[in-house]
Amino acid sequence: SYVLTQSPSVSVAPGQTATITCGTNNIGTKSVHWFQQKPGQAPVLVVYHENDRPSGIPERFSGSKSGNTATLIITRVEAGDEADYYCQVWDGTNDHPWVFGGGTKVTVL
Amino acid sequence: EVHLVESGGGLVKPGGSLRLSCVASGFTFRSYSMNWVRQAPGKGLEWVSTFSGNGIMYYADSVKGRLTISRDDAKTSVYLQMDSLRVEDTAIYYCVRDNSVYDSEGRRYYYMDVWGKGTTVAVSS
Repeated sequence: SYVLTQSPSVSVAPGQTATITCGTNNIGTKSVHWFQQKPGQAPVLVVYHENDRPSGIPERFSGSKSGNTATLIITRVEAGDEADYYCQVWDGTNDHPWVFGGGTKVTVL
Repeated sequence: EVHLVESGGGLVKPGGSLRLSCVASGFTFRSYSMNWVRQAPGKGLEWVSTFSGNGIMYYADSVKGRLTISRDDAKTSVYLQMDSLRVEDTAIYYCVRDNSVYDSEGRRYYYMDVWGKGTTVAVSS
């Protein structure tokens, strides 16, 4: 098994860009997804397979991957974006196919 | 509309058992792999178990041998039998659907796209 490393917290002013990273070895060979979770609610998928968005998710949410790091980018941040964000990897070659990162708390100043 | 509704949570003593249920609606249940994911109080998300579309079951090391996933396609339901419960199993348990996408080279990748609201399990003496 492997570990996905996320920074614990990110602070961003409204209208600015939030960048949330997720790192592990060989992340380039894996499919990376991102979830948003607001207090008291179930997680919501915001980006899947690096940079695809489910219907209803604003274009302000995007993803990328380079080297050993995947990144979730939220542009023109709004107060409603304040939440915990989790990266997740699917590895079909593993008998533990799903791994979550530890989560990043995004605070909108 | 796609829905997942969990039930069966509650308070149980260490060493006890619970059976969680998740009823699905709004999609062709038998065509999808299903998962259980949990979240301990104040902690992050932890994958627990998957019942794949080809009938293979996967478990996190922390629950292997104590928790058992099953499904009944006729009832569009997935279950989690929880035995030998420990204090550290205390969490909200979410039922989650797998979906899949093909890349430009025809390789299939899975992602979790629909979550239930969760059911709470508390293990305490």
